[in-house]
Amino acid sequence: EPEVTQTPSHQVTQMGQEVILRCVPISNHLYFYWYRQILGQKVEFLVSFYNNEISEKSEIFDDQFSVERPDGSNFTLKIRSTKLEDSAMYFCASRRLSGTSNEQFFGPGTRLTVL
Amino acid sequence: DQQVKQNSPSLSVQEGRISILNCDYTNSMFDYFLWYKKYPAEGPTFLISISSIKDKNEDGRFTVFLNKSAKHLSLHIVPSQPGDSAVYFCAANDSRGGGTSYGKLTFGQGTILTVHP
Repeated sequence: EPEVTQTPSHQVTQMGQEVILRCVPISNHLYFYWYRQILGQKVEFLVSFYNNEISEKSEIFDDQFSVERPDGSNFTLKIRSTKLEDSAMYFCASRRLSGTSNEQFFGPGTRLTVL
Repeated sequence: DQQVKQNSPSLSVQEGRISILNCDYTNSMFDYFLWYKKYPAEGPTFLISISSIKDKNEDGRFTVFLNKSAKHLSLHIVPSQPGDSAVYFCAANDSRGGGTSYGKLTFGQGTILTVHP
């Protein structure tokens, strides 16, 4: 069964440092997403990506965040200058382009800890 | 932002009985609803979904009911098994957003289900 993979599983960084979280979506999927979950809170939408561009982003996704699909398989989230409040689980998700199915499939997540 | 609410933080059920998890939403533009299950240290796993053109969708032990007039949906698990113990998230999507909200999922807070043997 194809699945979304994410690396690393846990990233520890110092405040102000740049981090790149990596995702490999399911191969025939065309929509890609990043969500995050701060401990004890809801899963929150960050950004969606289709056809090599951002299709929607939340107010959380400010200028410190960027996404990229550098090749045919990887999908990355970069945080330029991390803040303490960026500590969270970051989930990548992907979805087929389909008129009848909106199911998104999630990766296992990267736990980001900002010290 | 409380567009999707799961008012029960936890639910405890005996093995073999029915588990009913509830979810309410406020945004009338939502037209597609999903349930996800999440174990600790894992990502959400898709369980079942329902489009707003239906009021019921069934997949094995899982059934989702949608009441559009009440803006309420529920997930029924029958019979419940200890392996069902997890956090269950309700999520909603407006698929008619013309690209600006197509695919974005809005999640509820989750309900912790514990199924006792």
